[in-house]
Amino acid sequence: DTVLTQSPALAVSPGERVTISCRASESVSTGMHWYQQKPGQQPKLLIYGASNLESGVPARFSGSGSGTDFTLTIDPVEADDTATYFCQQSWNDPTFGGGTKLELK
Amino acid sequence: EVQLVESGGGLVQPGRSLKLSCAASGFTFSDYAMAWVRQAPKKGLEWVATIIYDGSSTYYRDSVKGRFTISRDNAKSTLYLQMDSLRSEDTATYYCARLGYYSADGWFAYWGQGTLVTVSS
Repeated sequence: DTVLTQSPALAVSPGERVTISCRASESVSTGMHWYQQKPGQQPKLLIYGASNLESGVPARFSGSGSGTDFTLTIDPVEADDTATYFCQQSWNDPTFGGGTKLELK
Repeated sequence: EVQLVESGGGLVQPGRSLKLSCAASGFTFSDYAMAWVRQAPKKGLEWVATIIYDGSSTYYRDSVKGRFTISRDNAKSTLYLQMDSLRSEDTATYYCARLGYYSADGWFAYWGQGTLVTVSS
């Protein structure tokens, strides 16, 4: 299985720029996607194909990367962005990263 | 508006069976691959199984192969997951998800609200 590694938690202030990283154990080309999950809710797609913004998602969210290293950027961060963010690869059988919990100061 | 509504979860004893359903609406169900993804309490997301748009191909994670069966009824716009020989480690919220297009690879574009399956004696 392709293992995806994410930092467990981040804390930022509203209005700042935050980058959430995801590293794959092998190349997944651009088959990387990002989700936001708020407590008690289902995940929501933010970015697909590494850098494509899902319809209806604010332009504050962006994605980049290819191969093994990927980044989700939120700029500027708003209070409503408090959530856990997961990466997922689709190059092989789908796997997810462990999630990065974003907290606002 | 895309809607995915899961049902069928509950408390079940180890070794027993359970069948989940997912009623889809708001899109042409037969055009898209569908999947089940689960999340153990306070844990991360784990892909379980995928079925392509016409049901002709299915894919499973190793730990459920031979125990779980994914299927679909395109006439009823409904996805199923038959779970046999359940184990305690299958305890999780099971989400129904629609993929981005007809084939099995790709992203999970829409998710249901989930149904909780608890395997315990």
